[in-house]
Amino acid sequence: GAGVSQSPSNKVTEKGKDVELRCDPISGHTALYWYRQRLGQGLEFLIYFQGNSAPDKSGLPSDRFSAERTGESVSTLTIQRTQQEDSAVYLCASSLGQGWNTEAFFGQGTRLTVV
Amino acid sequence: DAKTTQPPSMDCAEGRAANLPCNHSTISGNEYVYWYRQIHSQGPQYIIHGLKNNETNEMASLIITEDRKSSTLILPHATLRDTAVYYCIVRVGLNFGNEKLTFGTGTRLTIIP
Repeated sequence: GAGVSQSPSNKVTEKGKDVELRCDPISGHTALYWYRQRLGQGLEFLIYFQGNSAPDKSGLPSDRFSAERTGESVSTLTIQRTQQEDSAVYLCASSLGQGWNTEAFFGQGTRLTVV
Repeated sequence: DAKTTQPPSMDCAEGRAANLPCNHSTISGNEYVYWYRQIHSQGPQYIIHGLKNNETNEMASLIITEDRKSSTLILPHATLRDTAVYYCIVRVGLNFGNEKLTFGTGTRLTIIP
């Protein structure tokens, strides 16, 4: 597609439920990033995928958070047993891969509200 | 942790040049300086990047000091649409290490009519 696409754009869920957030990167981009942005805060790195390398999961805040990516395609961020503190905008970005001096393109984000 | 320091907020009159400073005193020789901005309720948008030479594109100019410990993003003729949070980031470009972008708190630029 023309840009990074995220779905859903908005998600309201009850505390304790699981949610899945989807990111479709730009075709051909081997690097994919997930960030979290709480209201009025900066971007918090969550996880980074680069091709077939092991992902950098150093930013995942707890074991309730996980993400998958198959090859260079779609990624899914899963939050289990959601808590109110998980309420935030979840942003996905993709870029042309490791070793390339290029910019990352961001999607519009998924606004998650846990009630 | 973010490797950059930026003022939390700035104002600029519409039509004037907006100069946004960034300190990155611990920058390594293979790290680039990137600037992104985030307009309200949107994902961050790439603006410009550079290594050691000054750079200019259709959006902005980037001035990097000779010692590379600081830089300034210049929006030459600010418009109301430039109101956003501006993030200065250092990032390894050509090293095959971890390329994750680490965002600091940025500078909230408000363009005043």
